[in-house]
Amino acid sequence: GEDVEQSLFLSVREGDSSVINCTYTDSSSTYLYWYKQEPGAGLQLLTYIFSNMDMKQDQRLTVLLNKKDKHLSLRIADTQTGDSAIYFCAEMAGSNTGKLIFGQGTTLQVKP
Amino acid sequence: DGGITQSPKYLFRKEGQNVTLSCEQNLNHDAMYWYRQDPGQGLRLIYYSQIVNDFQKGDIAEGYSVSREKKESFPLTVTSAQKNPTAFYLCASSIIGTSNYGYTFGSGTRLTVV
Repeated sequence: GEDVEQSLFLSVREGDSSVINCTYTDSSSTYLYWYKQEPGAGLQLLTYIFSNMDMKQDQRLTVLLNKKDKHLSLRIADTQTGDSAIYFCAEMAGSNTGKLIFGQGTTLQVKP
Repeated sequence: DGGITQSPKYLFRKEGQNVTLSCEQNLNHDAMYWYRQDPGQGLRLIYYSQIVNDFQKGDIAEGYSVSREKKESFPLTVTSAQKNPTAFYLCASSIIGTSNYGYTFGSGTRLTVV
């Protein structure tokens, strides 16, 4: 079945770049997503990438997709303390079923 | 402003009680979802509904029930059969057929058994 894996924790210094990695199993995924969750809050959509793209850039965020290896990454440039949160990778299950499969989430800790 | 509203933000349940968590959206989204979040376990799907008066079980439906009588509303009842209900519950909605928007999430309800 579908599965999404992420490392659980990443710690960086303020001003450095952060790279959060994700692997997924469903090769028919059409869209892949990155969500951010701040403490005690819901998830907020950060960005998404369509499966026929290799890269997408949006201000400080860069998403890289390696479809051959089923590997997705989120790079945050110039990481700030306000970026401290849990980041979830998600894939659309099957072909446009509407169901998202989420990873376990990566907790990003930004040290001043 | 359009959005998805969960209430209450905090809920306390006594042993053996049923409690209902509210989820309302005014985004005109077709589909709605309930997830449970436990520390270090990510999000697990409880129930989802893609159309009014129809819903499907997710991965951990035992001890929960839902209804979808209106497009805007998808309440979740945590029954006394759910043995470990303490968790953070998230409701989400989406448009079916337009995948690039993903899900819109509510702000969550934290349920604690006392």
